Amino acid sequence: EVQLLEAGGGLVQPGGSLTISCAASGFTFRANAMAWVRQAPGEGLVWVSTITGTGANAYYTDSVKGRFTISRDNSKNTVYLQMNSLRADDTAVYYCARDRSGTHYGFDYWGQGILVTVSS
Amino acid sequence: QSVLTQPPSASGTPGQRVTISCSAGSSNFGNNFVYWYQQFPRTAPKLLIYRDDQRPSGVPDRFSGSKSGTSASLAISGLRSEDEADYYCAAWDDSLSGWVFGGGTKLTVL
Repeated sequence: EVQLLEAGGGLVQPGGSLTISCAASGFTFRANAMAWVRQAPGEGLVWVSTITGTGANAYYTDSVKGRFTISRDNSKNTVYLQMNSLRADDTAVYYCARDRSGTHYGFDYWGQGILVTVSS
Repeated sequence: QSVLTQPPSASGTPGQRVTISCSAGSSNFGNNFVYWYQQFPRTAPKLLIYRDDQRPSGVPDRFSGSKSGTSASLAISGLRSEDEADYYCAAWDDSLSGWVFGGGTKLTVL
């Protein structure tokens, strides 16, 4: 059974940093790209970032380029999102998802989400 | 503002067929597929349709997807109360080199 479990969310001040993680199980982690998708309170889904299975390539939405860094540790089956220079509009539930866009299956499994609140 | 445009709301009565549209506007979908996700309140999204019109295992055949030109649609036939949820379309945008989601459609079963 595929499971994705996010951790590390919480309250952070504007301008601060936070790293969230997603532990995966139930599939061959290193063979799959992974993504982060966020949802601000009462708003829709927004793709944030994707990293390829080897970690060699990463992609970001424009609003987080230069501030967020996605990475992965295939020995720990874990993907991370390091978030710097956080702003109030980064407040959202962040979902980890398996990204099978390379084979056109979309985001086929999602974690339960973790809340990140940016506020003073 | 989403690159993909969806109506904010849709509704139907039990047993009806409803459709939710997703428009790429002038930018077109190109050669990229459209995906649909279903989300219940306070839960994670679930993949409903992939590659324009394919259903993952376990998704009832009451749900169907289609695409033509700059528009895609999700159709739900035999509407049930448990279909009440938010529905999002998504596609890869070559010009942005990233995924884009529609703004979401809240489906109400009357």
